[in-house]
Amino acid sequence: EVQLVESGGGLVQPGGSLRLSCAASGFTVSSTYMTWVRQAPGKGLEWVSLIYSGGGTYYADSVKGRFTISRDSSKNTLYLQMNSLRAEDTAVYFCARHSTRINDFDYWGQGTQVTVSS
Amino acid sequence: EIVLTQSPGTLSLSPGERATLSCRASQSVSSSYLAWYQQKNGQAPRLLIYGASSRATGIPDRFSGSGAGTDFTLTISRLEPEDFAVYYCQQYGSSPMYSFGQGTKLEIK
Repeated sequence: EVQLVESGGGLVQPGGSLRLSCAASGFTVSSTYMTWVRQAPGKGLEWVSLIYSGGGTYYADSVKGRFTISRDSSKNTLYLQMNSLRAEDTAVYFCARHSTRINDFDYWGQGTQVTVSS
Repeated sequence: EIVLTQSPGTLSLSPGERATLSCRASQSVSSSYLAWYQQKNGQAPRLLIYGASSRATGIPDRFSGSGAGTDFTLTISRLEPEDFAVYYCQQYGSSPMYSFGQGTKLEIK
């Protein structure tokens, strides 16, 4: 059974850093595309970042240069390192697995809350 | 940049009725690259439709998708109580690589 479990969220001051984790089971993270999507309070979904099975990475313009996506094959875990956090980064962060079609996301974690506030 | 605009913002219907949700793209989107998701309060989104018209695994056949180019539709033929939720369309393609519509809230009338 495919499962994704996020952790690492919390309250952080503006300018601070946080690392989110997404532990996967039922499949191999390094063999597929993985993505982070976020949802600000009361708002819609926003794609944040993607890591290809080959290791290439892409970012939304809103986080480029501040966030870094990575994975650890030995732990079958996806990460999102978030630096220089801003109030507008406050959101629930979901990790998701791309389907074999790559175009869409077939499994999602339950999300982890990140709050950026002084 | 491709912008997806969903309408209506809120749709109020009763169980058993038919729901029609619209997703309009600012530029043409390949049908292969258009998906729909359902999100219930406080939960993760669930993939419903991919490739504009194909149901994802386990999705009931009362859900159907259609459309091409810039206009796409999600139809729920007979609403069940568990269908009341927020629905998002999503595209893959140009910058940004992936984007979502702002959502349509389907509420009980």
